Amino acid sequence: EAQVTQNPRYLITVTGKKLTVTCSQNMNHEYMSWYRQDPGLGLRQIYYSMNVEVTDKGDVPEGYKVSRKEKRNFPLILESPSPNQTSLYFCASSAQIGTGNTEAFFGQGTRLTVV
Amino acid sequence: AQSVSQHNHHVILSEAASLELGCNYSYGGTVNLFWYVQYPGQHLQLLLKYFSGDPLVKGIKGFEAEFIKSKFSFNLRKPSVQWSDTAEYFCAVNVDSNYQLIWGAGTKLIIKP
Repeated sequence: EAQVTQNPRYLITVTGKKLTVTCSQNMNHEYMSWYRQDPGLGLRQIYYSMNVEVTDKGDVPEGYKVSRKEKRNFPLILESPSPNQTSLYFCASSAQIGTGNTEAFFGQGTRLTVV
Repeated sequence: AQSVSQHNHHVILSEAASLELGCNYSYGGTVNLFWYVQYPGQHLQLLLKYFSGDPLVKGIKGFEAEFIKSKFSFNLRKPSVQWSDTAEYFCAVNVDSNYQLIWGAGTKLIIKP
C-alpha cells in the first residue's frame, strides 16, 4: 500500500531538547516536503527536497533542519525546540513532475507540543 | 509572488444544502489545481485535481470543481452536502510544473445534522 509514514504521532517535549520527527515513503517519490499547520494559517512549507542530498528552505524554515540521505526518508530535526514550534506537522511526497502524477501524499501528522 | 485565496474561512450549512467554496490564485501561467480535504483528526487527502482538458472535474464523494481560467478560479461544489462532509478543505496550486504546492489558508466546513 502506498503510504507516507510519520513518527511519532504525538510528542510533548521541553524547550531546548533536540528532537527528530521521521518521515518515510514507499512510492519512490523524488519530492518530499514538511509542512506545519496552524489554526487560521493553513499549511506552511518548512523545507522540501527534490531528491537525495538536495534540500531547500520553504516559507518557514527557521528553527528546523532536514536531511535526505536516502530517497525514502526525510527526517525533520528541531535542534532546540521552542514553544512557538508547537504545531501539527505533516510530511508529504510526490512523484516527479512530467509523469502527470503530481498529487501529494501526506503522512498522518505529528502533533508536537513544546512546553 | 504566487498566492492562493480561499475567501471563506468558516462555512456552516445544513444537510442537503448546496455547497460552493471559492478558490482564486494569482498566476498567469500554466497551473495544476487541487482540492484536498482534512477530516477531523486525520491527514490531508486528495479530493480532486485539474491538470488539463475538461475544466469541470469530478472528484470523490460527489464533489466537483470548475477551472475558470479567465477568473483564475477553481471553486469546489457539491449539490447536496452530508453531515460527513464536515472537514477542512484546502485549495492548492502548482505553477509551471514546479514541485511546490502553494496552499490556501483552508475553509472549515461544518454541516449541521
